[in-house]
Amino acid sequence: DAGVTQSPTHLIKTRGQQVTLRCSPKSGHDTVSWYQQALGQGPQFIFQYYEEEERQRGNFPDRFSGHQFPNYSSELNVNALLLGDSALYLCASSTVGSNTEAFFGQGTRLTVV
Amino acid sequence: DQQVKQNSPSLSVQEGRISILNCDYTNSMFDYFLWYKKYPAEGPTFLISISSIKDKNEDGRFTVFLNKSAKHLSLHIVPSQPGDSAVYFCAASAKLVFGAGTILRVKS
Repeated sequence: DAGVTQSPTHLIKTRGQQVTLRCSPKSGHDTVSWYQQALGQGPQFIFQYYEEEERQRGNFPDRFSGHQFPNYSSELNVNALLLGDSALYLCASSTVGSNTEAFFGQGTRLTVV
Repeated sequence: DQQVKQNSPSLSVQEGRISILNCDYTNSMFDYFLWYKKYPAEGPTFLISISSIKDKNEDGRFTVFLNKSAKHLSLHIVPSQPGDSAVYFCAASAKLVFGAGTILRVKS
């Protein structure tokens, strides 16, 4: 079992550009959540996908969007990048409706210059 | 508005002693709490959880205590080991509202 895998591991983008981050959930999991972790802070919830739809959303602007595919993998898209978008982006997978732990990927380190 | 707070950014303890990490929350609707451990360059890994119907959950060296009236939970690690040195996050509820984390350093 490969667990949760994210790609790429590191990325450098310029202000104003767009970025797509990818996540494959742990086998057997159907729900994917995305988090942004800025330096010195805990992960902040961006949104959660289940059955290819956004089910919950945190306090992030519409520049942050996502997608979930039939195989449960997911993408996070960020448009019009700002310097403040520089962070570690974490993907977590879980099973819907269960109050169990989420499994995290190793994250994608995004640097906006 | 920080709904989950970890007020100690770091903690240093001697190997073999007890580590106590604290977490406070403000939302009384939270009914499930988790602790995650994070090493550098890795994603957080689940450590232990507790449902609001309990006040204690134990797993080996790790025990989580929940005080619902005070909206407070704590993670006890005993005995602490150097390999426990990491950042510890507490999180609440299904969409995981995280605290800012506490850096634990266990000195040998």
